[in-house]
Amino acid sequence: SQQGEEDPQALSIQEGENATMNCSYKTSINNLQWYRQNSGRGLVHLILIRSNEREKHSGRLRVTLDTSKKSSSLLITASRAADTASYFCATDAGQGGSEKLVFGKGTKLTVNP
Amino acid sequence: DVKVTQSSRYLVKRTGEKVFLECVQDMDHENMFWYRQDPGLGLRLIYFSYDVKMKEKGDIPEGYSVSREKKERFSLILESASTNQTSMYLCASSFWASGAYEQYFGPGTRLTVT
Repeated sequence: SQQGEEDPQALSIQEGENATMNCSYKTSINNLQWYRQNSGRGLVHLILIRSNEREKHSGRLRVTLDTSKKSSSLLITASRAADTASYFCATDAGQGGSEKLVFGKGTKLTVNP
Repeated sequence: DVKVTQSSRYLVKRTGEKVFLECVQDMDHENMFWYRQDPGLGLRLIYFSYDVKMKEKGDIPEGYSVSREKKERFSLILESASTNQTSMYLCASSFWASGAYEQYFGPGTRLTVT
């Protein structure tokens, strides 16, 4: 059951530029998380935003959440070649917090040196 | 640091073989998960375990079974491997942190069934 859908599917930018990825979801959520996956590896948790939060920052990452539009965006500022990876949003839709997360299909980001 | 390890990075098996994928986490997490990841389909949950000997089917359990005899170990079993089970398999564990469950992933096992 796919909940989150990332957009775009693929993004190619130059080093130093900002990268923005979007995630839309269907049902009410308790929180939304973003994960990164380097090629052929497992996913790594990046940042979590709760349904009562609108914006969150972590280093070069900025996440926004609009629950009225059921959408979130992940902004990576001043991108580096090392940011090349796939980025997934994941939603937790259970009452009071669910152990299970539902992942989107991901945005593949390529940062060219 | 949380560590989730998977028994193999790459595995090649023949059709009809019984296949065991092992996952071990070292942080006493109660929840463990098995996903498969295929191009264009994202991550799909196969099985989930919330305690020793407890399991719950995910979205695509057909053709798979699981075992959790100890808290730190969660095994995925392909009873009779088929070519359509060729995929990347990801194990994860999770814990409750600041009001939400975050998942920690292993490096993945790329399984090829010939």
